Amino acid sequence: DGGITQSPKYLFRKEGQNVTLSCEQNLNHDAMYWYRQDPGQGLRLIYYSQIVNDFQKGDIAEGYSVSREKKESFPLTVTSAQKNPTAFYLCASSMRPGQGTDTQYFGPGTRLTVL
Amino acid sequence: QKEVEQNSGPLSVPEGAIASLNCTYSDRGSQSFFWYRQYSGKSPELIMSIYSNGDKEDGRFTAQLNKASQYVSLLIRDSQPSDSATYLCAVTFLGSGSARQLTFGSGTQLTVLP
Repeated sequence: DGGITQSPKYLFRKEGQNVTLSCEQNLNHDAMYWYRQDPGQGLRLIYYSQIVNDFQKGDIAEGYSVSREKKESFPLTVTSAQKNPTAFYLCASSMRPGQGTDTQYFGPGTRLTVL
Repeated sequence: QKEVEQNSGPLSVPEGAIASLNCTYSDRGSQSFFWYRQYSGKSPELIMSIYSNGDKEDGRFTAQLNKASQYVSLLIRDSQPSDSATYLCAVTFLGSGSARQLTFGSGTQLTVLP
């Protein structure tokens, strides 16, 4: 059963803690992405990776870090430097990054709440 | 600054009517346009993609693109209560490192009344 999985579904963090959100895909897609969604707003790009061992900052990368050691996996760490991390985090992947017809597909999301 | 603008709504239509959702974008060079549907608390799912001027139909959904006016729309015919969701317009812009980045509008909330 192909798709994108994210875990956990819900995550609670105390202030000052780092937390890592998992994203795995078995679609054999080259590119992976992390977005953040706040209530009533669209998605904002945090980081993206077009190939293993390479990634670029998106529009709101401050306070976040990523790694891409395997094609299937693109974990996101929310660090204590991120001042307002409560949000819905969405991972996506796409097959042909850089091509105009490339389509992104989304995982089910992780809802992070800071206590 | 790459921008995608949508009316936030809420937009209410009666069951069986046509729902019309609109989106404008700032970059004249954009080439790829997508509509995603997002139910409350869920992740976005792709409904339509369109790349050239004109209409593209898929079942009850029709996407319309006018690059000269920098305008893309989504029509939903015979609207059903199950169509009630937030509809996100997304446009591909050329970002850093020659990668195309997807920029999303804030979404239009649609309610179909039984």
